[in-house]
Amino acid sequence: EAQVTQNPRYLITVTGKKLTVTCSQNMNHEYMSWYRQDPGLGLRQIYYSMNVEVTDKGDVPEGYKVSRKEKRNFPLILESPSPNQTSLYFCASSGGDLYGYTFGSGTRLTVV
Amino acid sequence: AQSVTQPDIHITVSEGASLELRCNYSYGATPYLFWYVQSPGQGLQLLLKYFSGDTLVQGIKGFEAEFKRSQSSFNLRKPSVHWSDAAEYFCAVGAWDSSYKLIFGSGTRLLVRP
Repeated sequence: EAQVTQNPRYLITVTGKKLTVTCSQNMNHEYMSWYRQDPGLGLRQIYYSMNVEVTDKGDVPEGYKVSRKEKRNFPLILESPSPNQTSLYFCASSGGDLYGYTFGSGTRLTVV
Repeated sequence: AQSVTQPDIHITVSEGASLELRCNYSYGATPYLFWYVQSPGQGLQLLLKYFSGDTLVQGIKGFEAEFKRSQSSFNLRKPSVHWSDAAEYFCAVGAWDSSYKLIFGSGTRLLVRP
C-alpha cells in the first residue's frame, strides 16, 4: 500500500531535550515536505526536499532541522524543543506537481 | 502574495442537505488547486484536484468543485451530506514554482446535524 509513515504518533517531551520525528515513504517520490498545523493557521511548511541531499527552508523553519540521506526517509529534528513547537506535524511526499502531496497520519508533539 | 482564504471557520448543515464550502485563492500563475479532508485524529486525505481543462472536477466521496478563474474561487460542493462527512476541510494551492509547497487555507470545520 502506498503510504507515508510517521513515528511516533504522539510525543510529550520537555524543553531542550532533542528529538527526532521519522518519516518514510514507499512511493519513490522525489519531493518530501514537513508541515505543522496550528488552530486557525492551517498548515504551514517547515522544510522541503526536492531530492536526496537537497533540502531548503519553508515558511517556518526556525528551531527545526531536516536531512535527506535516502530518497525514502526525511526525518524532522528538533535540537532544543520549546513550548511554542507544540503542534501537530505532518510529513508529506509528492511525485510531482500533477499529483499533489500524500500525507502521513501526523505526529502530535507536546513540549512542556 | 500567494494565499488561500476559507472565509467560513465553521459550517453546520443537516444530514441530507446540500453543502458548499468556499475557497478563494491569490496566485500569480496558473493555479494547481486541491481540497483535502481531515477527520478527527487523522491525516489529510485528498478529495480532488484541479490543474487544467474542465472547470468542474469530481472527487471521492461524492464531492465536486468548480474552478472559476474570474472569481479566483474553487468552491467545494456536495449535493447531500452524510453524517460521516463531519470533518475539517482544507483548500490549498500548489506553489510549485517556489518551495514546492502547498499553501493552505485555515480550514472549515463541517458539523452535520442528524
